[in-house]
Amino acid sequence: DAGVIQSPRHEVTEMGQEVTLRCKPISGHDYLFWYRQTMMRGLELLIYFNNNVPIDDSGMPEDRFSAKMPNASFSTLKIQPSEPRDSAVYFCASSPAGWGPPGNTIYFGEGSWLTVV
Amino acid sequence: GQQVMQIPQYQHVQEGEDFTTYCNSSTTLSNIQWYKQRPGGHPVFLIQLVKSGEVKKQKRLTFQFGEAKKNSSLHITATQTTDVGTYFCAGLSSGTYKYIFGTGTRLKVLA
Repeated sequence: DAGVIQSPRHEVTEMGQEVTLRCKPISGHDYLFWYRQTMMRGLELLIYFNNNVPIDDSGMPEDRFSAKMPNASFSTLKIQPSEPRDSAVYFCASSPAGWGPPGNTIYFGEGSWLTVV
Repeated sequence: GQQVMQIPQYQHVQEGEDFTTYCNSSTTLSNIQWYKQRPGGHPVFLIQLVKSGEVKKQKRLTFQFGEAKKNSSLHITATQTTDVGTYFCAGLSSGTYKYIFGTGTRLKVLA
């Protein structure tokens, strides 16, 4: 079974450009998460969705960041305009419904490595 | 807000030595998970602990959940080079689906 699929795997962009990161969660998973990882701040939860509905976006750093989940098999994280401090690894992750194991194991994608110059 | 801290931040050990990382939450957790991230990789689920005082073992790895459900530990016996990576705990506060990841402990094993 395919895992969480993210694209692009690597992106280098110039400051001010729009960046769109894409994610396909594991089929049947009701929860989708976007995390950002940097050396300074570690692994931060940006936003999560339940059944395509955003539940908590309190981790989104500022208005330049937006996330959508138009259907159960696709989500995007957009940064517009991008800044050098946005350079990080962005992980998408998904999880099945439920509270007990294995219901809430989080499965991570391989990440999108973003560099803004 | 909820914070989850891990100590130590880094640990270098000789192959064959034991290793322990500690995870402490500012709030009581309903459960805690542990993940391992290899260099250049993504976090991979290791285990989940739910009950107060719970202890689970996976081969050379021993996981504990504190009695007050605010702390946890991961102990590796006789480390191997394949244990290299960063170990994260992730705590789930009661009533939410928001896992907060700890700061991580980066383990380096010297052959």
